[in-house]
Amino acid sequence: GAVVSQHPSRVICKSGTSVKIECRSLDFQATTMFWYRQFPKQSLMLMATSNEGSKATYEQGVEKDKFLINHASLTLSTLTVTSAHPEDSSFYICSASPTTADRFHYEQYFGPGTRLTVT
Amino acid sequence: GENVEQHPSTLSVQEGDSAVIKCTYSDSASNYFPWYKQELGKGPQLIIDIRSNVGEKKDQRIAVTLNKTAKHFSLHITETQPEDSAVYFCAALSNQAGTALIFGKGTTLSVSS
Repeated sequence: GAVVSQHPSRVICKSGTSVKIECRSLDFQATTMFWYRQFPKQSLMLMATSNEGSKATYEQGVEKDKFLINHASLTLSTLTVTSAHPEDSSFYICSASPTTADRFHYEQYFGPGTRLTVT
Repeated sequence: GENVEQHPSTLSVQEGDSAVIKCTYSDSASNYFPWYKQELGKGPQLIIDIRSNVGEKKDQRIAVTLNKTAKHFSLHITETQPEDSAVYFCAALSNQAGTALIFGKGTTLSVSS
């Protein structure tokens, strides 16, 4: 149980185009999902917190107009990198935390990541 | 806000030896401390976690200890195997619904046979 999927696993796009990354919790519902960015040999950097049915909360320094987040259901959050540039090339990872009606679960499960390369 | 320090950044051990990775945190309100294993090109995998009302937790060859007073927690891997080689991250979470994990910088563990 507690499986999170991401699609696509790898994507190469041209500079100026937009790319959408999907994050799905396959066997649990997640009111909150998180989006991280990871550069080679570095730790995970939180980009934004995505809440189902409401606007995402972005970390300082993350452009909300460039990294559009939509959390349309309890099992799906999407990250769209708009007008991508080579400096946006990175490993993007989402995580989700199971929630129940009466209790918030602390465990967070990560997706396999999406390798974005902008040429 | 929370700050998590992790040491060492790299750790090399011989197969069969034990490995210990240590983390400290700054926010006394943090009450959940997971450890993740990340293999190259993959997402982090939760391997063990501990809550602040527990001092130690074991799962086969893996154990985590927590010292709330000193604000530090450690990952212990016994009888290491080559497949344990990976990057390990510690993290801390405060007692608020919907808050994100704060990660340490990671430890690259290499187990040589």
